[in-house]
Amino acid sequence: DAGVIQSPRHEVTEMGQEVTLRCKPISGHNSLFWYRQTMMRGLELLIYFNNNVPIDDSGMPEDRFSAKMPNASFSTLKIQPSEPRDSAVYFCASSAGRIQETQYFGPGTRLLVL
Amino acid sequence: AQSVSQHNHHVILSEAASLELGCNYSYGGTVNLFWYVQYPGQHLQLLLKYFSGDPLVKGIKGFEAEFIKSKFSFNLRKPSVQWSDTAEYFCAVTMYNNNDMRFGAGTRLTVKP
Repeated sequence: DAGVIQSPRHEVTEMGQEVTLRCKPISGHNSLFWYRQTMMRGLELLIYFNNNVPIDDSGMPEDRFSAKMPNASFSTLKIQPSEPRDSAVYFCASSAGRIQETQYFGPGTRLLVL
Repeated sequence: AQSVSQHNHHVILSEAASLELGCNYSYGGTVNLFWYVQYPGQHLQLLLKYFSGDPLVKGIKGFEAEFIKSKFSFNLRKPSVQWSDTAEYFCAVTMYNNNDMRFGAGTRLTVKP
């Protein structure tokens, strides 16, 4: 199994630009999670999909952030417009059940907004 | 506010020393508890988890954790650490019938050879 795949692995952009992060969950998993990791706030759950439907997006910091899961094998997290404080590592994870099940994490996307 | 606390931010040990990393949470109801580990340059991966039953949980690589409900704690232990255990360790909690997962701030473990 290839595991959770994230792209790009690194992204450097300028303030105001649109950023799109991509995730391919493990085949057969029906839950997908987006997390953000920063030094100040640690690892935070942004949004949780189950069967492609957003279940909880209360962790999404503001309207500049949006996430979609058009099918069971693909999800995007978009930031528009990006700001320097969005600089962080963004992880995608998937699981074979609901949020209480074991989550399998991707390698993360390291985002730097200048 | 509901939270997960890991009291040790950075622990430095010599090989063969015993390890205990603290984790406390503030949820009052039924919880599921996890320890995840992130080795340098690698993904976060599950070390062990507790859902129900025996409060002493065995995980991979000789790690174990004990759920003490009265203390709201889920401390991670290993009797003898190795250099390869150098990593960052995260405690995480989900509440039964809740769509939230909270991670602790993480504890960086450095094992000196």
